[in-house]
Amino acid sequence: SQQGEEDPQALSIQEGENATMNCSYKTSINNLQWYRQNSGRGLVHLILIRSNEREKHSGRLRVTLDTSKKSSSLLITASRAADTASYFCATFRYSSASKIIFGSGTRLSIRP
Amino acid sequence: DVKVTQSSRYLVKRTGEKVFLECVQDMDHENMFWYRQDPGLGLRLIYFSYDVKMKEKGDIPEGYSVSREKKERFSLILESASTNQTSMYLCASSSGTGGYYEQYFGPGTRLTVT
Repeated sequence: SQQGEEDPQALSIQEGENATMNCSYKTSINNLQWYRQNSGRGLVHLILIRSNEREKHSGRLRVTLDTSKKSSSLLITASRAADTASYFCATFRYSSASKIIFGSGTRLSIRP
Repeated sequence: DVKVTQSSRYLVKRTGEKVFLECVQDMDHENMFWYRQDPGLGLRLIYFSYDVKMKEKGDIPEGYSVSREKKERFSLILESASTNQTSMYLCASSSGTGGYYEQYFGPGTRLTVT
């Protein structure tokens, strides 16, 4: 069963604008991770936030986690053409052994 | 930097053929994973391994088997390929207790079964 669900499925914004993607999940988690995938390539890890953290930053990325709402958001500030990609959230619960469960992704397009 | 390589970027096979997909990682990671990715379905875990010669079924193991004879290498085997196994296959590795840490992905193999 799918744990993470991203919203929206697709997002198109102007270069320089901020992009926000959301992820909702169903059960308690130990951590939540965000990955980026450029077209036809493998996934690249962006950021990991643990269940006892509320916010994390990495460069132009800001991730928040609200465990009471079972949701997370990924904010990309000052978007660039190179940010065009699909973004996936992935959740991990220790009881699921080594498995992390990926959502179906948000496809982000940056218009020049 | 961690490097995960996959034996082929593109592969075309016929129905009924035995197919081997190989994955090699160079960072001495304990855990290795095979996923398939289909439009609208995200990544689905086929099998994973947390040690040499150890394997665990993921969410969709039917029609697949795996082999891990060496720590750095994890092979996915399609015993008798079928058209519904046409997909993008992604290999990943991670250290420690797999989900606690980030996964490193290979570039993917796009398999077409005709």
